[in-house]
Amino acid sequence: GAVVSQHPSWVICKSGTSVKIECRSLDFQATTMFWYRQFPKQSLMLMATSNEGSKATYEQGVEKDKFLINHASLTLSTLTVTSAHPEDSSFYICSASQAEATDTQYFGPGTRLTVL
Amino acid sequence: AQTVTQSQPEMSVQEAETVTLSCTYDTSESDYYLFWYKQPPSRQMILVIRQEAYKQQNATENRFSVNFQKAAKSFSLKISDSQLGDAAMYFCAYRSLYFGNEKLTFGTGTRLTIIP
Repeated sequence: GAVVSQHPSWVICKSGTSVKIECRSLDFQATTMFWYRQFPKQSLMLMATSNEGSKATYEQGVEKDKFLINHASLTLSTLTVTSAHPEDSSFYICSASQAEATDTQYFGPGTRLTVL
Repeated sequence: AQTVTQSQPEMSVQEAETVTLSCTYDTSESDYYLFWYKQPPSRQMILVIRQEAYKQQNATENRFSVNFQKAAKSFSLKISDSQLGDAAMYFCAYRSLYFGNEKLTFGTGTRLTIIP
């Protein structure tokens, strides 16, 4: 149980285009989902927290207009990187916590974004 | 704000031996959760073990156990009978108990190498 999927697993795009990454909880309802960014050989940096049906809460320094987050249902959250640039290239990871047990986060496999 | 410190960037252990990874944290809260996550080369974050601060008993999951010292704000992970599959980055993480503050604060990680 507690499986989280991400799609796509990797994506390459041209500078200036937008990219959407999906995060799904497959066997549970996730009231809260989290989006992280991880640079090579570094720890995870929380970008934002999203709750179903409400606006995401962004961490300090994260551009809301560049990283659009939508949590439209209890099983799906999306991260859209708008007008992507090479410096947005990174590994993006989502996690979700169960509605019945919010103490533990389960992580997706991550998405590698490369912007040319 | 809470902080998590992992002072060992790299550790190595002989296969079948025991290794302990260190983690300290700083918080003014009295109740919280602590976690150890493993990130193998696939980069999938995997929950290893979880500890509730209000529980005095140290958590154990098969070969993995923790030494939780609340007064010292220390949370070390012991891996017994190390196996090749244990090779990974290990992250210690803190989570507040309070509703609305479910985000994880991660340490910088410890890279564990298993020597055959």
